[in-house]
Amino acid sequence: GENVEQHPSTLSVQEGDSAVIKCTYSDSASNYFPWYKQELGKGPQLIIDIRSNVGEKKDQRIAVTLNKTAKHFSLHITETQPEDSAVYFCAASGAGEKLTFGTGTRLTIIP
Amino acid sequence: DSGVTQTPKHLITATGQRVTLRCSPRSGDLSVYWYQQSLDQGLQFLIQYYNGEERAKGNILERFSAQQFPDLHSELNLSSLELGDSALYFCASSVLGGVITDTQYFGPGTRLTVL
Repeated sequence: GENVEQHPSTLSVQEGDSAVIKCTYSDSASNYFPWYKQELGKGPQLIIDIRSNVGEKKDQRIAVTLNKTAKHFSLHITETQPEDSAVYFCAASGAGEKLTFGTGTRLTIIP
Repeated sequence: DSGVTQTPKHLITATGQRVTLRCSPRSGDLSVYWYQQSLDQGLQFLIQYYNGEERAKGNILERFSAQQFPDLHSELNLSSLELGDSALYFCASSVLGGVITDTQYFGPGTRLTVL
């Protein structure tokens, strides 16, 4: 089955700087890659997703890049703000298959 | 607010007991997914229902079962509870859940504590 590795497990950045979280996946048939943000006591919230026919997608301060050849995808957050502090999860799935999640990255924005 | 509701928010029970967790999907969504989140296992997919039928199964124990009703709400039943079943249980929903993987929206979760 699919295996998703996520790095780093913790990340601290100064407010205003950029944060990058990286994931690799094992199944070359995977074609859907969402990123979720989970705040304390809440459920995961979708922040951005990308499908394998696209190499990059951007939504304001958040962007995701996908390298199908290398089987890795990354989340980029620019101009970080205190409210970006949360746990971020990447995930991958094939067509109609279940989502396999990474182990999460705890992002802390230092004011 | 994702539009997915889950009840109860918290549940405290004893080993050996049985509990039922409830999920109402977003309006119009046909698929419901159940996930377990624990500190050592991360987010693990348990089971998916699509329009009342079981669609996919993940790492769900035989002591656990689920169903989706005609009004599309779903229940996850956990029986013969063990200490290790203590976790957050999330429900997610999506419009289809068929051939194309569509976006899953998560509910706020149920925190289960087994004493």
